[in-house]
Amino acid sequence: DAKTTQPPSMDCAEGRAANLPCNHSTISGNEYVYWYRQIHSQGPQYIIHGLKNNETNEMASLIITEDRKSSTLILPHATLRDTAVYYCIASKGSGNTGKLIFGQGTTLQVKP
Amino acid sequence: GAVVSQHPSWVICKSGTSVKIECRSLDFQATTMFWYRQFPKKSLMLMATSNEGSKATYEQGVEKDKFLINHASLTLSTLTVTSAHPEDSSFYICSARVYYEQYFGPGTRLTVT
Repeated sequence: DAKTTQPPSMDCAEGRAANLPCNHSTISGNEYVYWYRQIHSQGPQYIIHGLKNNETNEMASLIITEDRKSSTLILPHATLRDTAVYYCIASKGSGNTGKLIFGQGTTLQVKP
Repeated sequence: GAVVSQHPSWVICKSGTSVKIECRSLDFQATTMFWYRQFPKKSLMLMATSNEGSKATYEQGVEKDKFLINHASLTLSTLTVTSAHPEDSSFYICSARVYYEQYFGPGTRLTVT
């Protein structure tokens, strides 16, 4: 699985958009970009995933660059409850090699 | 939908005893389940991958005889920590995969005294 690089921490003002970057320059053509978040002492929560196209769901939007070497997770209107560690993971997503290997993630602090 | 449960949510046991943790996918069938552990202020570490009806595949450095995994059905996997020691105290999290999405349980906090 491709290695991902994320900034260790970010701040965001409540009500503003939170843009979390992720670099995955060695991603292969059949690897998806997954985003999860973990609020303190809970299991990770699935946010979104994508292969090539930009994706949007009720939680967030995922913007993947055309060369697929980087992506950005966008939380459109951050709330205090969005304070968490956000993980960007590149994975095939299926089969025995499609494991989710977690890096250190980005700690997002949403401030009032 | 896509809910994964774990039981118990926390457990305290004495050194030398064994502890079983259950992981269930409540509203979907999961062909593959995963077990992770997490130490304080650290990221999740994958321990093993299990497929229903077959032996689990353990990550390098994880003792298969210490962490017994049974994947009895498409909705149930169990992790047994055998002869637990204080260094096994950790947060254990399971996840279940359906298609290309993987969902995580709430975790089980194990404390070995």
